Amino acid sequence: GNSVTQMEGPVTLSEEAFLTINCTYTATGYPSLFWYVQYPGEGLQLLLKATKADDKGSNKGFEATYRKETTSFHLEKGSVQVSDSAVYFCALGAYNFNKFYFGSGTKLNVKP
Amino acid sequence: NAGVTQTPKFQVLKTGQSMTLQCAQDMNHEYMSWYRQDPGMGLRLIHYSVGAGITDQGEVPNGYNVSRSTTEDFPLRLLSAAPSQTSVYFCASSYSGETYNEQFFGPGTRLTVL
Repeated sequence: GNSVTQMEGPVTLSEEAFLTINCTYTATGYPSLFWYVQYPGEGLQLLLKATKADDKGSNKGFEATYRKETTSFHLEKGSVQVSDSAVYFCALGAYNFNKFYFGSGTKLNVKP
Repeated sequence: NAGVTQTPKFQVLKTGQSMTLQCAQDMNHEYMSWYRQDPGMGLRLIHYSVGAGITDQGEVPNGYNVSRSTTEDFPLRLLSAAPSQTSVYFCASSYSGETYNEQFFGPGTRLTVL
């Protein structure tokens, strides 16, 4: 089946620290992978995506690489800001099945 | 463009009551879906639609009905609310069901069933 596992939070960092949020997946076929961000009181917004193995998605200083050999899509940012405080969701789009699967979310708190 | 809109933002129901959560999008998207968000469980797909007149079940469809009479609207109906349906509900849409497409989410409806 299809599923996404991501590290539990909350993750608390100081401003300018390096961020890694781990995400691993199981899937049949060739899924697409996504990171979404949810700010307090809002819906989810797409942060970045990768549609095939070895693709790197990037946006707003965040990056993630689609690693088929380790079934992973870890989110990284070199220097976090207070404004990055949010909940981050890893998601998988199941190939040809019109269905998306989300991880449980990781809350990030960045302190000044 | 308003994007994806949802009403109401908050709702409190008693067990056994029925209600409809509204979702509309103005982007002419074919694909629309409903999720529920529960603490520690991420988002789980309830129902989805790949176009007007076509709907299908997701992971957790029991207790919910949907229909899609127009491209723009995709209401979610709770026929007899139960406390287990207390959750935050998100509607999303995308250009098509091809899973490389970005989904656009509404702001959510927070539902409490007493």
